[in-house]
Amino acid sequence: KAGVTQTPRYLIKTRGQQVTLSCSPISGHRSVSWYQQTPGQGLQFLFEYFSETQRNKGNFPGRFSGRQFSNSRSEMNVSTLELGDSALYLCASSLALAGGPSEQFFGPGTRLTVL
Amino acid sequence: ELKVEQNPLFLSMQEGKNYTIYCNYSTTSDRLYWYRQDPGKSLESLFVLLSNGAVKQEGRLMASLDTKARLSTLHITAAVHDLSATYFCAVDHNNAGNMLTFGGGTRLMVKP
Repeated sequence: KAGVTQTPRYLIKTRGQQVTLSCSPISGHRSVSWYQQTPGQGLQFLFEYFSETQRNKGNFPGRFSGRQFSNSRSEMNVSTLELGDSALYLCASSLALAGGPSEQFFGPGTRLTVL
Repeated sequence: ELKVEQNPLFLSMQEGKNYTIYCNYSTTSDRLYWYRQDPGKSLESLFVLLSNGAVKQEGRLMASLDTKARLSTLHITAAVHDLSATYFCAVDHNNAGNMLTFGGGTRLMVKP
């Protein structure tokens, strides 16, 4: 079974630009969560999508947004990039059979560098 | 607000030795996960602990969960170099959804 895939794997942008990251979950998984990992703040939850709806949201500014498509693929968008947005962005998918929490499997991540 | 604390943050140990990593969390939860991360790589799921008293073992690693004490431990037995990595514990928010709060990670270095 294929794992979680994320594209692109690496991205370099400049301040003020916007970026879109993509995540394809494991086949059959309905929940997709996004996390940001930085040396200073560690791993932080961004948001979770389930059945095309944002179900949970972390404490990030509105510049960070996302969506989920009917095939469970998800995208996250960051607008007006700041230097501090440089990070590894991880996507995780889970089965969420009953709609509740379940084990999350992580993708390889997208490393975003903002210059 | 759920807080998760791991200690130690850095652990250097000799091969063959035993050690324990501790993970404390601040609010009630009965779902705790351990992950491993190698440099530049993603998170690999190690253990899923879903109830009080849960104990799971895989090779030289054993994880346990005490929900009353809000404490999980990851015990390393007879460490080998291949275990060198950063280990994270993560706690679920007990809500309807998937929302993990991670500890700060323990960077483990096993020296020959």
